[in-house]
Amino acid sequence: GAVVSQHPSWVICKSGTSVKIECRSLDFQATTMFWYRQFPKQSLMLMATSNEGSKATYEQGVEKDKFLINHASLTLSTLTVTSAHPEDSSFYICSAGVLLGHEQFFGPGTRLTVL
Amino acid sequence: AQSVAQPEDQVNVAEGNPLTVKCTYSVSGNPYLFWYVQYPNRGLQFLLKYITGDNLVKGSYGFEAEFNKSQTSFHLKKPSALVSDSALYFCAVRDMGNAGNMLTFGGGTRLMVKP
Repeated sequence: GAVVSQHPSWVICKSGTSVKIECRSLDFQATTMFWYRQFPKQSLMLMATSNEGSKATYEQGVEKDKFLINHASLTLSTLTVTSAHPEDSSFYICSAGVLLGHEQFFGPGTRLTVL
Repeated sequence: AQSVAQPEDQVNVAEGNPLTVKCTYSVSGNPYLFWYVQYPNRGLQFLLKYITGDNLVKGSYGFEAEFNKSQTSFHLKKPSALVSDSALYFCAVRDMGNAGNMLTFGGGTRLMVKP
């Protein structure tokens, strides 16, 4: 149980295009989903927290217009990197949590490379 | 505020020897503590957690961790290391009073197990 998937696993795109990453909780309903960014050999940095049906809460320094988050249902959240640039290249990881739950369940990550 | 420190960027150990990966934390209330492992280009895999109860927590793949409240530590241990244990390990903390499930991660420790 408690499986979280991400799609796609890898994406390569040209500078200026937008990329959508999906995060799904496969066997449970996630009241909260989290989006992280990880640079090579570094820790996970929380980008934003989203609750189903409401606007995401972004961490300081994260551009909400650049990284659009939609949490349309209890099993799906999407992160759209708009007008991607090479500096947006990174490993993006989502996780899902349940109300009053102790832990987060992590997706396998999405490697974004912007040329 | 909550924070986590992993003082060692890398730990080297010979196969068959015991290993320890250190973690100290800071929270205003009582902590929930977690250890995750990450293999290259993969998401985080849950190893173990401390919520309450016994200070010694046993987890996946033979790992265990000891919660020490006085030293605010949660070191990860394994009696006999395997080459396949080589990976990146993250300690994470959540303040029990944090209803939003938000985790704070340490910087990560790379474990290298040599044959």
